Amino acid sequence: EVQLVESGGGSAQPGGSLRLSCAVSGFNVSNTYMHWVRQPPGKGLEWVSVLSSGGATEYADSVKGRFTTSRDNSKNMLYLRINGLRGEDTAVYYCAREWRNSLGDWGRGTMVTVSS
Amino acid sequence: QSALTQPASVSGSPGQSITISCTGTNTDIGAFHLVSWFQQHPGTAPKIIIFEVSNRPSGVPSRFSASKSGTTASLTISGLQAEDEANYFCSSYTLSRTHVFGSGTMVTVL
Repeated sequence: EVQLVESGGGSAQPGGSLRLSCAVSGFNVSNTYMHWVRQPPGKGLEWVSVLSSGGATEYADSVKGRFTTSRDNSKNMLYLRINGLRGEDTAVYYCAREWRNSLGDWGRGTMVTVSS
Repeated sequence: QSALTQPASVSGSPGQSITISCTGTNTDIGAFHLVSWFQQHPGTAPKIIIFEVSNRPSGVPSRFSASKSGTTASLTISGLQAEDEANYFCSSYTLSRTHVFGSGTMVTVL
């Protein structure tokens, strides 16, 4: 059974950093395209990043330079490092597995709140 | 990359059909046959209901159908049911090798 479980969210101050984790089971992150998507409270979905099976990354313009996605194949984990936190980064962050050129499986999300 | 444009809300009575539009550009919806639709109930993660413009994953009811013409995609729910009340988001792959979501549509079953 495919499962994705995010963790690492919480409260942080503007300018700070956080590392979100996504524990995966039922498939290998090493041979799958993996995405991060976020959703501010009461708002819509925003695509954040993708990490390809070959290790290439792409980011939304709104996070480029501050967000870094990576993986640990030995632990079957996906990560999202967020630097220079801003108020507009407040959101639920989901990890998702790419399937048929879409986001086929999602975790339940982890909440990040940026506030002083 | 600007969000794809969806109507904020659509409503219908049980049994009726509704259609949600999703308008993009020639750099996303118009460039690829890679439009998806997601259903999201409050407090839960999104769930894929359509991939590659018009295909339904196993387990998604046949009352959900979708299509694309030019830079506009559409999702139709036929025979609306109470459990279809949710937020719906479209998404597309883009020429920048990124993805973009629609602004979201709240479907209300009257």
